[in-house]
Amino acid sequence: RKEVEQDPGPFNVPEGATVAFNCTYSNSASQSFFWYRQDCRKEPKLLMSVYSSGNEDGRFTAQLNRASQYISLLIRDSKLSDSATYLCVVKGTGRRALTFGSGTRLQVQP
Amino acid sequence: EPEVTQTPSHQVTQMGQEVILRCVPISNHLYFYWYRQILGQKVEFLVSFYNNEISEKSEIFDDQFSVERPDGSNFTLKIRSTKLEDSAMYFCASSEAQRNLAGGYNEQFFGPGTRLTVL
Repeated sequence: RKEVEQDPGPFNVPEGATVAFNCTYSNSASQSFFWYRQDCRKEPKLLMSVYSSGNEDGRFTAQLNRASQYISLLIRDSKLSDSATYLCVVKGTGRRALTFGSGTRLQVQP
Repeated sequence: EPEVTQTPSHQVTQMGQEVILRCVPISNHLYFYWYRQILGQKVEFLVSFYNNEISEKSEIFDDQFSVERPDGSNFTLKIRSTKLEDSAMYFCASSEAQRNLAGGYNEQFFGPGTRLTVL
């Protein structure tokens, strides 16, 4: 089983749509969780950290379910500029290394 | 806004040659990292570095790889004898050492990457 698993997509959605990405992780001892965004041939950039209570940042909402080892990202009112690959990222207890999923590609269409 | 910088942006080398990839982390950061991403694949952790020594490394980081902080600003990754399968984008990252207010580790900021092509 992959350490961090994501649906690769692509998700093709119209502007204004709401889209949800899911991610599962295999190591129950994982401590920290993130969503990163990666544009084509660019570096990963932190979109948001994911906390147990769930957190929201503008149009973006992240949820964590530790019991199911499941992380989600919801994007509301999609913009053309949201087109990118969204990376689910996990960090283990006592570790600094980030473990990346393969990413889910989003294409927002006019 | 402070940022991680990397040079060169693209390096082409012959198989068996040594390459050195350079990074300048954000100035007040104390943890430094190298990751790589083979084209079309996921980002993979190579090594982390703190207080002038390796703090963690992955299975990928074998004896062909080494890291160094030769001065107060640069952080380098050396591949001693490159193989075709070393062709990838190499990302340097840095982070502050202490935890954030939520108890988690602070964000790792990534540089723009060096695209290494081994022929």
